[in-house]
Amino acid sequence: QSALTQPASVSGSPGQSITISCTGTSSDIGSYNFVSWYQQFPGNAPKFMIYDVTKRPSGVSNRFSGSKSGNTASLTISGLQTEDEADYYCSSYTTSDTWVFGGGTKLTVL
Amino acid sequence: QVQLVQSGAEVKKPGASVRLSCKPSGYTFTDNAIHWVRQAPGQRLEWMGWINGGNGFTKHSQNFQGRVTLTRDTSASTAYLELSTLTSEDTAVYYCARLAQWPSEVGLDYWGQGTLVTVSS
Repeated sequence: QSALTQPASVSGSPGQSITISCTGTSSDIGSYNFVSWYQQFPGNAPKFMIYDVTKRPSGVSNRFSGSKSGNTASLTISGLQTEDEADYYCSSYTTSDTWVFGGGTKLTVL
Repeated sequence: QVQLVQSGAEVKKPGASVRLSCKPSGYTFTDNAIHWVRQAPGQRLEWMGWINGGNGFTKHSQNFQGRVTLTRDTSASTAYLELSTLTSEDTAVYYCARLAQWPSEVGLDYWGQGTLVTVSS
């Protein structure tokens, strides 16, 4: 199972919006609405940010939103803040009853 | 509150096996699946497999075919990952994580603190 494809890095200024893409195939993202997103700071475990493509767990800021079109999912962060600077990973359930993660995207807030 | 506590760091020689544990608390162990994810230094998250806390059904990534064994002890409310025939490429932090709810909330909502496994001669 190949990793989902994410840009290695994205950047934005405080207050701006950024979008991180996550491209898979018809065997994962394209087949199910089971895409989730995780935020990870260096040395820490990932944090659950988005599930089922668009839903936010309790406690996650509404500045984070998810979407999907075809085989590509996206995470949008609006009103960018310096504390959003972290690595972001997407994940999807697959037709093989397995999961797959993306390569990760480093967000820099300039 | 939900917590997943993992066993301590391990140092292993190439060719050896390692067994890691993950003990959740704050919910009924048999109600949720546990997933295992690893992260090599400076690298991406890599999904390894999952075990159903109730019936013990397991599924793992083909990348670990024949090398990974997932088990659980319901009396101890603990999940285990065993990885055999270790090489230096298995040096990583290994995380366990809880699947929130299948199929209504599909995501890993709580994570353990991670266990560093170092493979070195």
